[in-house]
This record gives sequence, structure tokens and C-alpha cells, in this order.
Amino acid sequence: EDKVVQSPLSLVVHEGDTVTLNCSYEVTNFRSLLWYKQEKKAPTFLFMLTSSGIEKKSGRLSSILDKKELFSILNITATQTGDSAVYLCAGGSGTYKYIFGTGTRLKVLA
Amino acid sequence: DAEITQSPRHKITETGRQVTLACHQTWNHNNMFWYRQDLGHGLRLIHYSYGVQDTNKGEVSDGYSVSRSNTEDLPLTLESAASSQTSVYFCASSSQPLEYEQYFGPGTRLTVT
Repeated sequence: EDKVVQSPLSLVVHEGDTVTLNCSYEVTNFRSLLWYKQEKKAPTFLFMLTSSGIEKKSGRLSSILDKKELFSILNITATQTGDSAVYLCAGGSGTYKYIFGTGTRLKVLA
Repeated sequence: DAEITQSPRHKITETGRQVTLACHQTWNHNNMFWYRQDLGHGLRLIHYSYGVQDTNKGEVSDGYSVSRSNTEDLPLTLESAASSQTSVYFCASSSQPLEYEQYFGPGTRLTVT
């Protein structure tokens, strides 16, 4: 059965800290991995990763995929209170749909 | 601007009633998805469609149905609402099934009493 596991489940840090969120996957005929940020509303897209070892970067956020070890990480540097959210990852399977993890809840304290 | 909308945003219904949640997108995307989100479970796929007249079951499809009569809309029907279907429901669409981001609607909070 396909599954996506995120860790840690929750995390509390102070502004300015760097955090690393983990996403491991077991997805049949894996095609791509998505990262989303969810505040008290709909998930908003962050990154899509399809190739191993190539870092995607957007401001203070970056992500990389390791297709050999079946995981991805999302890094956030110099965290701000606005980064507080649930971060979701999803693995895309050969059956043409995404399997979502349960998310990591990040709280950034001022 | 293109968007994806859901209605109603909040709904309270009674056990046994039929309920339909609307999803409308103006992206002209072929692919549309319905998810439910519950604490401890993340987003779980209910049904999805890759085009007009195409519908497929997801991992938690029991008690739900969808129909796709045009590109823009994928309504989700709860045939006989149950308390276990109390949840937040998200609709999403994408231009391709995979390797493209899914755009999410604002969600519908459904409470079944």
C-alpha cells in the first residue's frame, strides 16, 4: 500500500531558527513529490520535485528529493512567525494520483 | 483571474440526508479531485476525474459519488450523510494528472448531526 510519512508531527522554534521537515514515501511507480503550506485555509503550493538531487529554492525555503533513499526534505531558514503553518507533502504514483502525508505542524515563536 | 470555488463554505445537515457540495474551476483543467481532511489523517482522496464523463474512486469513496458533465464542475454528493462524514472537504484541479501542482479550493466544512 502506498504511503507518505512526515516527521516530526509538530515542531516549535523561535524566530531566526532553521528547520528541516522530512517526508519519506513508498509510492508505486513514483513520479513526483509536492510540498504545500496550509494555514487556516486551503493548501498553497510550494514546490514540485521530480528529479533526484536537484534543489528547488524560493526565498528562505528550499527542498530536495532523494529518489534512492525515498525521501524529501523541506528547509526553512531564518524562520518568521508567518511561517507558522502545517506543511504537507504528497507523492505522485503511477496510478496518476497523489498520496498525502499527515503533515508537520510548525509553530514559530516571536 | 482563474480560480477554483466551493460552495457552501459551511454546512450543517442531519444524518440520513443527501448533501451535495459544489466545486467550480475556471482554470479549464481536465483533472479534478475531491479530498477530505481530518485530524490525524491528512488529506485523503475521495473521488477524482480526468475529464468529462470520467470518474474514479479514491481511497475513501464509500458513501460518496461524483459526476462530471462539463469541464468546470465536479459536484460531490453524500448519498445518506453519516456522522463519520463530518469533515473539511477540499476540491482541487490540475492541468495534468501528475508532475503538475494541484490548485485547491477554499474548502467546505461539513457537520453531520
